[in-house]
Amino acid sequence: EPEVTQTPSHQVTQMGQEVILRCVPISNHLYFYWYRQILGQKVEFLVSFYNNEISEKSEIFDDQFSVERPDGSNFTLKIRSTKLEDSAMYFCASSVGLAGDNEQFFGPGTRLTVL
Amino acid sequence: RKEVEQDPGPFNVPEGATVAFNCTYSNSASQSFFWYRQDCRKEPKLLMSVYSSGNEDGRFTAQLNRASQYISLLIRDSKLSDSATYLCVVNGGGTSYGKLTFGQGTILTVHP
Repeated sequence: EPEVTQTPSHQVTQMGQEVILRCVPISNHLYFYWYRQILGQKVEFLVSFYNNEISEKSEIFDDQFSVERPDGSNFTLKIRSTKLEDSAMYFCASSVGLAGDNEQFFGPGTRLTVL
Repeated sequence: RKEVEQDPGPFNVPEGATVAFNCTYSNSASQSFFWYRQDCRKEPKLLMSVYSSGNEDGRFTAQLNRASQYISLLIRDSKLSDSATYLCVVNGGGTSYGKLTFGQGTILTVHP
């Protein structure tokens, strides 16, 4: 069964450093997403991406964040200068379509720890 | 008012019990509704979509009341393996079709 994969599973970084989180969506999916979940809190939407551009982003997704699909398979989330409050689990997701019942399939997540 | 609100629980029930979870959402323009399941430190996984007519998948029954902006999940004959956090999820209305909005989750523990 196809699945979304993410690397690394755990990333530890110093405050102020740049990190890149990587995702490989399911191959025939066209829509890609990043969500985050701070420990003990709810899952929060960050950004959706389609046709090589951002479709929608949340207030969390400020100028420190960027997304890219550098090739035909990878989808990355970059945080330019990490803050302590960026520590969270980051989930990548993908879907065939956008609206209605198109299931978003989630990857296993990258746990980001900012020291 | 929170966008998606759930009773956080925890619910502790014996095997074989029936348990019900409730959820309310604030955006009346929301289009699609789901229950996801999340195991500890794992990714959310779709349990089932929720329709106005109500839908059933084995031991799981979901209901949607658009007028009251209320969603429910009923689990019958609980199994130990049902222990997880159950997330009420709404696909945003208007132009936000791709944005999933999650509730805080309801923790369920099924004990022998």
